[in-house]
Amino acid sequence: DTAVSQTPKYLVTQMGNDKSIKCEQNLGHDTMYWYKQDSKKFLKIMFSYNNKELIINETVPNRFSPKSPDKAHLNLHINSLELGDSAVYFCASSQGYQNTGELFFGEGSRLTVL
Amino acid sequence: GDSVTQMEGPVTLSEEAFLTINCTYTATGYPSLFWYVQYPGEGLQLLLKATKADDKGSNKGFEATYRKETTSFHLEKGSVQVSDSAVYFCALSGGSGNTGKLIFGQGTTLQVKP
Repeated sequence: DTAVSQTPKYLVTQMGNDKSIKCEQNLGHDTMYWYKQDSKKFLKIMFSYNNKELIINETVPNRFSPKSPDKAHLNLHINSLELGDSAVYFCASSQGYQNTGELFFGEGSRLTVL
Repeated sequence: GDSVTQMEGPVTLSEEAFLTINCTYTATGYPSLFWYVQYPGEGLQLLLKATKADDKGSNKGFEATYRKETTSFHLEKGSVQVSDSAVYFCALSGGSGNTGKLIFGQGTTLQVKP
């Protein structure tokens, strides 16, 4: 019974396309996140939501639009994909956001833009 | 802003060798410090944490001590196993300048050979 699950796990697409990644957590947490991991393994936060409300938006291009229909789900939609968007995208959740303690991560979604 | 710096990898060790992965941080206030581990093909998982100065976090034979005077949180293990091969991330949260974010170092790849 996976705590944080992401779909799809792999995504290969052409430049200019639009794609979505879905994330669900069954831990009852209030806060969810999207992180991007580049080819050198560097992890950078993109967004965080607390109870469906956007808390952090880390100067991510407007082509990236997160959506949280409820506190258990945080989806990521990407428009007009570019080569530089190729990365592994991780969803995570935590109990609170003020002083983030333990984050629980999904297995990642590897996006390859050709 | 707050930041974390880890030693460059990869670190290659023989089984049963002693491991140290250096981590230093820059933060205002009183952050909590974490080590996360990412096994191949998986998401990150919390390895250990320390929430105040002089605290020692420990788990699965790994230890790290929160040293405020040297702003460090070095990861150590007395005898590594092949199964410890992974990428290790030092992270901080809760500094005055980063409410709601977990800030990661660049990751250090550990390879343990039989």
